[in-house]
Amino acid sequence: GQNIDQPTEMTATEGAIVQINCTYQTSGFNGLFWYQQHAGEAPTFLSYNVLDGLEEKGRFSSFLSRSKGYSYLLLKELQMKDSASYLCASMDSNYQLIWGAGTKLIIKP
Amino acid sequence: ETGVTQTPRHLVMGMTNKKSLKCEQHLGHNAMYWYKQSAKKPLELMFVYNFKEQTENNSVPSRFSPECPNSSHLFLHLHTLQPEDSALYLCASSQDWSSATDTQYFGPGTRLTVL
Repeated sequence: GQNIDQPTEMTATEGAIVQINCTYQTSGFNGLFWYQQHAGEAPTFLSYNVLDGLEEKGRFSSFLSRSKGYSYLLLKELQMKDSASYLCASMDSNYQLIWGAGTKLIIKP
Repeated sequence: ETGVTQTPRHLVMGMTNKKSLKCEQHLGHNAMYWYKQSAKKPLELMFVYNFKEQTENNSVPSRFSPECPNSSHLFLHLHTLQPEDSALYLCASSQDWSSATDTQYFGPGTRLTVL
C-alpha cells in the first residue's frame, strides 16, 4: 500500500531550528512536496524535490533521499508566524499526490 | 491569496438537504481538484478534472457529485450527506494533470458540518 509518515506534532522555540521528517512508500515516485497550512487557511506550496540532496530557499530547506524513502523540511531562525501544519506529499507513478496527515508545529517564545 | 476562491467558507446542513460548493480559479490552469480534509487525517483526493474532463474519481460515494462547466469553475453538489462527511473540503488547481513538477494551488476550503 501507499503510506506517508510524519510526526503529529512538534514544539520548538522562536529563533531555533527544527527538522520535520517524512518517510514515504508509494507506487512509483515523481517527487516529494512540502506544503504549509495555517489554521483555517489554504495549504501553500513550500518545496519540491525529485533528486537526492538539499534544496535551500531562504529560511526553509528540504532534503530528499530516494533510496531511503525519506525527506525532511528544515526551518531555521523560527518565527512565531511559522506556527502551522506542514504537509508532506509524495507523487506516485500516476501523478497523484499521496499525503501525510501533517505535522502541527508549535512555536513558543 | 492563492488565486483560488471557494464559497461558502462555512456550511451547516441537515442530512436531507441539497447544497453546492463552488470553486473558482483565476490562474489560467487546466486541472482542478476536490479534496476532503478531516482532522488528523491525510488529504483525500476525491475528483480530478483536466480540461473539463473528469480523469479521476477515487471511489467517492454518489452523494457527492462534481461538475466542471469550464476550466475556471468547479462545483461539488451535495445531497443526503452523513455526519461522517463533516470535514474541510478543499479545491485546488494546477497547470495540467499528469505533470511531475506541477504545483497545486489550494483554495481556503469550505468547512462543512452535517447534522
